[in-house]
Amino acid sequence: AQSVTQLDSHVSVSEGTPVLLRCNYSSSYSPSLFWYVQHPNKGLQLLLKYTSAATLVKGINGFEAEFKKSETSFHLTKPSAHMSDAAEYFCVVSDRGDYKLSFGAGTTVTVRA
Amino acid sequence: ETGVTQTPRHLVMGMTNKKSLKCEQHLGHNAMYWYKQSAKKPLELMFVYNFKEQTENNSVPSRFSPECPNSSHLFLHLHTLQPEDSALYLCASSQETKDDEQYFGPGTRLTVT
Repeated sequence: AQSVTQLDSHVSVSEGTPVLLRCNYSSSYSPSLFWYVQHPNKGLQLLLKYTSAATLVKGINGFEAEFKKSETSFHLTKPSAHMSDAAEYFCVVSDRGDYKLSFGAGTTVTVRA
Repeated sequence: ETGVTQTPRHLVMGMTNKKSLKCEQHLGHNAMYWYKQSAKKPLELMFVYNFKEQTENNSVPSRFSPECPNSSHLFLHLHTLQPEDSALYLCASSQETKDDEQYFGPGTRLTVT
């Protein structure tokens, strides 16, 4: 069985500063890992996905995440936060090829002007 | 329209009402999903359809009744709901259930009074 732990329930950053959202996972098999973003009153939008290729995954809107098997982590980063990045972010794991996604509890990001 | 659409976006219903949520995907996918998103809880998978056949019912109470008339449409029929059923109901789709990359709709915000 797989599971995800998002280590921060809330992150606050100033506009133009880096963002780091931390995620640890457990999976019995080779995992697929995802980050989704949810803006208020919106559905979930896929930011990026890791399967088995490069461990550094680049996504949309300047986000990237690094898969570290030894640390069972998949942290999401962005070098410079923008006001539009204020949203809730979900780290998600699945056993590769399985539709059953395990969602983290979410991290709410606020961006200060 | 593109992607996954859901109607209505907001719904308020009494406990004795019957209503339906609709989801439509324009991605040519064959798998569709219903999720429940409650405050402060991870997303919960409710139902899964693959090629119009229900492949999973995740112990959902019978007051929720899904229907999938074709691969593009998914309904969730609601009757005699409870206040604790108030939540955001999200629909998603993927190419098939063995494809773990899911695309989400904007959700229906349901309030049961």
